[in-house]
Amino acid sequence: GEQVEQLPSILRVQEGSSASINCSYEDSASNYFPWYKQEPGENPKLIIDIRSNMERKQIQELIVLLDKKAKRFSLHITDTQPGDSAMYFCAASRGASSSFSKLVFGQGTSLSVVP
Amino acid sequence: GALVYQYPRRTICKSGTSMRMECQAVGFQATSVAWYRQSPQKTFELIALSTVNSAIKYEQNFTQEKFPISHPNLSFSSMTVLNAYLEDRGLYLCGARDWGVSETLYFGSGTRLTVL
Repeated sequence: GEQVEQLPSILRVQEGSSASINCSYEDSASNYFPWYKQEPGENPKLIIDIRSNMERKQIQELIVLLDKKAKRFSLHITDTQPGDSAMYFCAASRGASSSFSKLVFGQGTSLSVVP
Repeated sequence: GALVYQYPRRTICKSGTSMRMECQAVGFQATSVAWYRQSPQKTFELIALSTVNSAIKYEQNFTQEKFPISHPNLSFSSMTVLNAYLEDRGLYLCGARDWGVSETLYFGSGTRLTVL
């Protein structure tokens, strides 16, 4: 299968705390896992990605973890701010190996950061 | 930097008519273009993947007869929604990448289709 499951669908956190979003995938050949942030009325924008040769990647307050054995990956936003409120989508693909390598998206998480 | 311009941003069409949307890649070569539809439930459905001057691969439930796609060069792609009906409404997104160079998919701003 090619499905990507994403949980939770709705997440509400206090400003300054951490937010975690979890995804699992079925295709064991997946080797590229991007995360997109989509604000209302806007297109999805890539915020961080991880490849299968890594287990952890951090860009400022964003941390991505990858567990290939369990076929799970997660996004952690530390010290959340109101500007982090948005829809977040995980995705998985077989990377740049083929022109027809497709990106399969999770169902999305609506994150609200409250003061 | 890499950018993808998509237009129109919004369009309204009468039931049974057709509409076309276009994407322009700037700053990189769009060797591969993916067209998605984002439903009101927010999930992304892949419609088709195209490689410049090559075959276009449609996903199940989507056909060339309904969603013809053109991808004639490394910077441009278009998709038409033929005979649009209520179930075709949603946000249509094109995502482009240079498949031999990077896995990163850059999205256009989307075309929001309303069908009356």
